[in-house]
Amino acid sequence: DAKTTQPNSMESNEEEPVHLPCNHSTISGTDYIHWYRQLPSQGPEYVIHGLTSNVNNRMASLAIAEDRKSSTLILHRATLRDAAVYYCNRRTGNTPLVFGKGTRLSVIA
Amino acid sequence: DARVTQTPRHKVTEMGQEVTMRCQPILGHNTVFWYRQTMMQGLELLAYFRNRAPLDDSGMPKDRFSAEMPDATLATLKIQPSEPRDSAVYFCASGRDRSLAYEQYFGPGTRLTVT
Repeated sequence: DAKTTQPNSMESNEEEPVHLPCNHSTISGTDYIHWYRQLPSQGPEYVIHGLTSNVNNRMASLAIAEDRKSSTLILHRATLRDAAVYYCNRRTGNTPLVFGKGTRLSVIA
Repeated sequence: DARVTQTPRHKVTEMGQEVTMRCQPILGHNTVFWYRQTMMQGLELLAYFRNRAPLDDSGMPKDRFSAEMPDATLATLKIQPSEPRDSAVYFCASGRDRSLAYEQYFGPGTRLTVT
């Protein structure tokens, strides 16, 4: 049980920003929020993670709500290569990642 | 660029046969995970190891599946006997749990088809 809720699918135009939402209303104070993505025919890959503050890296940004009950993964300029299933996970301690169904992102040229 | 490797990449076998999947974690990683992915169930955690010791294999059908780490560079997942419902992609992942938010690095997967 991933204990997160994500839309099944989203669509974006190429070179537009994409905001992928995730609800984790039962998150505890020490749970981290992790985002992974899975490109077609590949294993999942790490995107970003955070605890309380917003985070940026070369792939994306993570905006975490003040009450931590939701977060948003932001891809600043979607490319065709960003078409994938994006998984939002909440992780307790150093336990393994538990995956939900994720959001399938389609990028339109 | 260090990667998790898995062999074989594809395996087709007949029902009742033994299947062994192998995983080489990234050097220096002390945790290893096995996941299974199907269209119906998505990604399911089967088992995981820390410092070669099994910590949790509750996701694995015990009667036919077994997971081991003979040494730090090799993890194996065995199915005996295999059944058509075992058809799936099996992913191995590894990580180094120096902190609470460590990454899990996934291999390319083994696509298993049981006829």
